[in-house]
Amino acid sequence: AQSVSQHNHHVILSEAASLELGCNYSYGGTVNLFWYVQYPGQHLQLLLKYFSGDPLVKGIKGFEAEFIKSKFSFNLRKPSVQWSDTAEYFCAVRDGGSYIPTFGRGTSLIVHP
Amino acid sequence: EAQVTQNPRYLITVTGKKLTVTCSQNMNHEYMSWYRQDPGLGLRQIYYSMNVEVTDKGDVPEGYKVSRKEKRNFPLILESPSPNQTSLYFCASSLSPPGGSYNEQFFGPGTRLTVL
Repeated sequence: AQSVSQHNHHVILSEAASLELGCNYSYGGTVNLFWYVQYPGQHLQLLLKYFSGDPLVKGIKGFEAEFIKSKFSFNLRKPSVQWSDTAEYFCAVRDGGSYIPTFGRGTSLIVHP
Repeated sequence: EAQVTQNPRYLITVTGKKLTVTCSQNMNHEYMSWYRQDPGLGLRQIYYSMNVEVTDKGDVPEGYKVSRKEKRNFPLILESPSPNQTSLYFCASSLSPPGGSYNEQFFGPGTRLTVL
């Protein structure tokens, strides 16, 4: 079965710091990759997704992610975080044999003003 | 407005008292699924449905039932809730266009369930 690892469970940053959240998956075939964000008390919203093409994906709110197939990774980045980025971030991976993606355990990001 | 709705948003109940959490989407999506979210465990899929009358178990189906009699609705049923089912529950849906390629899921607002 597919597994998704998010290595950073809790990240604390100051505003304007750069962010990189790791996501690794186990499936070796074709994958669809997603990052979702969950602001406090809210539901999950899609930040960005990768299906094919350019491995560097731009999402909403200045986020981007890079798909590195050889490393089975899809790390999320943002050059300068804001206090409003405080949220939980989930990586999700769907492999070719499944209709529904597998989610990582999430990374809690706290940004201090 | 395109959305996934869940009811109730908050529920406190007692062990053994049957309950249903409703989920409805107005986007004509074929795929629907239920997740539970627990601290440190992320989202774990309970059940999913690929279309009307087609449902299948996810990773943590024990203690739950679902039904998909209509395309828009996918209720989650707890026949005999137990305290370990205290959690935050999310319903999600996604479109399957002709050709069967996958699109991202849209999530409902969540239902916070406490079983005493």
